[in-house]
Amino acid sequence: DVKVTQSSRYLVKRTGEKVFLECVQDMDHENMFWYRQDPGLGLRLIYFSYDVKMKEKGDIPEGYSVSREKKERFSLILESASTNQTSMYLCASSPGLTVETQYFGPGTRLLVL
Amino acid sequence: GIQVEQSPPDLILQEGANSTLRCNFSDSVNNLQWFHQNPWGQLINLFYIPSGTKQNGRLSATTVATERYSLLYISSSQTTDSGVYFCAVNQGGKLIFGQGTELSVKP
Repeated sequence: DVKVTQSSRYLVKRTGEKVFLECVQDMDHENMFWYRQDPGLGLRLIYFSYDVKMKEKGDIPEGYSVSREKKERFSLILESASTNQTSMYLCASSPGLTVETQYFGPGTRLLVL
Repeated sequence: GIQVEQSPPDLILQEGANSTLRCNFSDSVNNLQWFHQNPWGQLINLFYIPSGTKQNGRLSATTVATERYSLLYISSSQTTDSGVYFCAVNQGGKLIFGQGTELSVKP
């Protein structure tokens, strides 16, 4: 069965802190994605990766960076957290970029105070 | 880029009622997916439906690609159907999501 896990369900951080969100998939998928979800805005793509050590910017990459050192793990980094980064963060993976569906993790609700 | 719009934004149903959710997209697509996000935040794949009709139990979906819309039908709704329903199209490997329809099914 497909499984995507995220390191935390809930996280509270202070403004200016460095924040790491971890995502792991066990399906040997090539592609991994980070989204944020905000009320009324749906899901917006932050970054994605189609191979180890490769990354591409999504629609809203500002204030974020990513790391993919191993195929199964994709990390989202908030270098200096700000209150406007309070959101729900969702990780996903897929075997290909074209027609295959994406499989989502349970999400991390981040609150930045 | 492609725009994806969903309607209605909110829907309240009595248990047992039927409903139709709509997804419009602004350009031709060769794939479309429907997801359900449960109240705990988990996104669950419902259908991958670039065209035609598919059914899975009480849920079914129809996509008319030439007219740029897709419909999700929920019959005999249950409280466990509550949550947010998203449609998304794949453009160059990236999913473009609609804003979602928030469904609340009352007992």
